[in-house]
Amino acid sequence: GEDVEQSLFLSVREGDSSVINCTYTDSSSTYLYWYKQEPGAGLQLLTYIFSNMDMKQDQRLTVLLNKKDKHLSLRIADTQTGDSAIYFCAERADTGRRALTFGSGTRLQVQP
Amino acid sequence: KAGVTQTPRYLIKTRGQQVTLSCSPISGHRSVSWYQQTPGQGLQFLFEYFSETQRNKGNFPGRFSGRQFSNSRSEMNVSTLELGDSALYLCASSLEVNSPLHFGNGTRLTVT
Repeated sequence: GEDVEQSLFLSVREGDSSVINCTYTDSSSTYLYWYKQEPGAGLQLLTYIFSNMDMKQDQRLTVLLNKKDKHLSLRIADTQTGDSAIYFCAERADTGRRALTFGSGTRLQVQP
Repeated sequence: KAGVTQTPRYLIKTRGQQVTLSCSPISGHRSVSWYQQTPGQGLQFLFEYFSETQRNKGNFPGRFSGRQFSNSRSEMNVSTLELGDSALYLCASSLEVNSPLHFGNGTRLTVT
């Protein structure tokens, strides 16, 4: 079945770059998303990429997709303390099963 | 533009009771999805509605039901509550069925 894996925890210093990794198993995945969740809040859509793209950049965020290895990464440049949160990777196929399948989330801790 | 609005934010219910959660999507969004978030199971898909029709359903028992109204607002109902139903219930809306999901802040349900 479909599965999305993420490492549980990442700690970085303020000003450094953060890289959060995600692997997925469903080869029919068409849409891949990154969401951010702060304490007591819902999920905030950060960015997304279609499977026919290799890279997408949006201000401090860079998403890299290696479709052959089914590997997705989110790079946050100049990480700030306000970036401390849980980051979820999610994938969805274009047809058939339409729900998002989420990873378990990576907790990013930014140290001043 | 206002985001996805979920009411109430918090609910405390007793085992055996039933509960109704409400979701107002972003204006113009026609698709609404519901997810359950728990520490043990993570984010799991409940249902998806589009134009008042359930398009997709997750692997939850029949005690979980939902509906969508003509104004795209949605409700979900859980009957005969169990302790394990304690969770954060997240509603998400999207412009169309293939568009990215935008989540509300959720309703935190505690069953005692």
